[in-house]
Amino acid sequence: NAGVIQTPRHKVTGKGQEATLWCEPISGHSAVFWYRQTIVQGLEFLTYFRNQAPIDDSGMPKERFSAQMPNQSHSTLKIQSTQPQDSAVYLCASSWVSQNTLYFGAGTRLSVL
Amino acid sequence: GQQVQQSPASLVLQEGENAELQCNFSTSLNSMQWFYQRPEGSLVSLFYNPSGTKQSGRLTSTTVIKERRSSLHISSSQITDSGTYLCAIYGGSGNKLIFGTGTLLSVKP
Repeated sequence: NAGVIQTPRHKVTGKGQEATLWCEPISGHSAVFWYRQTIVQGLEFLTYFRNQAPIDDSGMPKERFSAQMPNQSHSTLKIQSTQPQDSAVYLCASSWVSQNTLYFGAGTRLSVL
Repeated sequence: GQQVQQSPASLVLQEGENAELQCNFSTSLNSMQWFYQRPEGSLVSLFYNPSGTKQSGRLTSTTVIKERRSSLHISSSQITDSGTYLCAIYGGSGNKLIFGTGTLLSVKP
């Protein structure tokens, strides 16, 4: 089992460009989460899918951020018109069901110049 | 306010000393989880502990739901224990983990 796989590990974008982050959850896990980590805010919840359906996106900035899960083997987080304040480590996690042990990927470090 | 509070914020130990990390939560609890974040950033699940006491090697987690707290005890600390320890709760009716700000542990030789 390779664990949760996130790509790329590092991404550098210019202000105003688009960034797409990828996540492959652990096979068989039905719950997929996206979090963002910064030194100032710590770990913040962004969005959650269960069986590929969006369940809770209360942590997503309403503009510019979107997440999808087109199939059970991957999810994407897209940030349009990136801003310097979007710089963070974006973490994907999965679990068998919600409210169960959560397994995190290594994260994607996004730097917006 | 902050739903999950951890203490201490940072801790320095000599190798071999024990540590007790605290996690207090201000909301009702469905379950909680302890994580270890390595210095390079990767997160490792230590315990999924909704209640009671669980032990794994030198680590012991105790959660007391009615007192809204959980603790993580590290015995005979090692240099490789250095990193950030995070607690997180599944609170209320939510399905998402809410994280504390962490305890930064540094173990010196």
